[in-house]
Amino acid sequence: SAVISQKPSRDICQRGTSLTIQCQVDSQVTMMFWYRQQPGQSLTLIATANQGSEATYESGFVIDKFPISRPNLTFSTLTVSNMSPEDSSIYLCSATGRGTGELFFGEGSRLTVL
Amino acid sequence: GESVGLHLPTLSVQEGDNSIINCAYSNSASDYFIWYKQESGKGPQFIIDIRSNMDKRQGQRVTVLLNKTVKHLSLQIAATQPGDSAVYFCAVSPRPQGGSEKLVFGKGTKLTVNP
Repeated sequence: SAVISQKPSRDICQRGTSLTIQCQVDSQVTMMFWYRQQPGQSLTLIATANQGSEATYESGFVIDKFPISRPNLTFSTLTVSNMSPEDSSIYLCSATGRGTGELFFGEGSRLTVL
Repeated sequence: GESVGLHLPTLSVQEGDNSIINCAYSNSASDYFIWYKQESGKGPQFIIDIRSNMDKRQGQRVTVLLNKTVKHLSLQIAATQPGDSAVYFCAVSPRPQGGSEKLVFGKGTKLTVNP
């Protein structure tokens, strides 16, 4: 199984600022994704991070608000831009392992926006 | 599109009992189903998966059952232990022959194991 490291693990941010979350996988993976988990809720897919090209966003999520990069196979970043209290959530990086196709998750980055 | 529903948001069992967590999905074309365990403050952890060409799959102390007729999925945990206390999510791939991309997650069942 892949080990997925995210940082920061948590942060408290001011309204109107932006924060970039980094995700590093320890082995070769095929696909990388970013999910959001609002407090006490389920997981919602934000986007698929595509290596070397623009991410593919799900309905309700846009690049201006959640710019994503994936410069190589094992690293991706998610920026939460111009934050508001409604953006307070856990943001989870995930990746599918080569061969198994199983989806693994990082520990998440817990953002609180004041 | 796919929607994934939940039967019970919480479940409380005694240590040593068997636990059954249920999930319902809406799209009959859905092909791939996964159960995840999420402990407090951690990311979801893969437990077991099943494809639509099977109706049962067993792992270590866990069994997943799939009833395509009524679009129902269940996770059975044998001899539940305190370490099994967590929130359990089912996830569904809504595309035929789909994989882990674009998974739709259910709302989760919080399992509490009483000693």
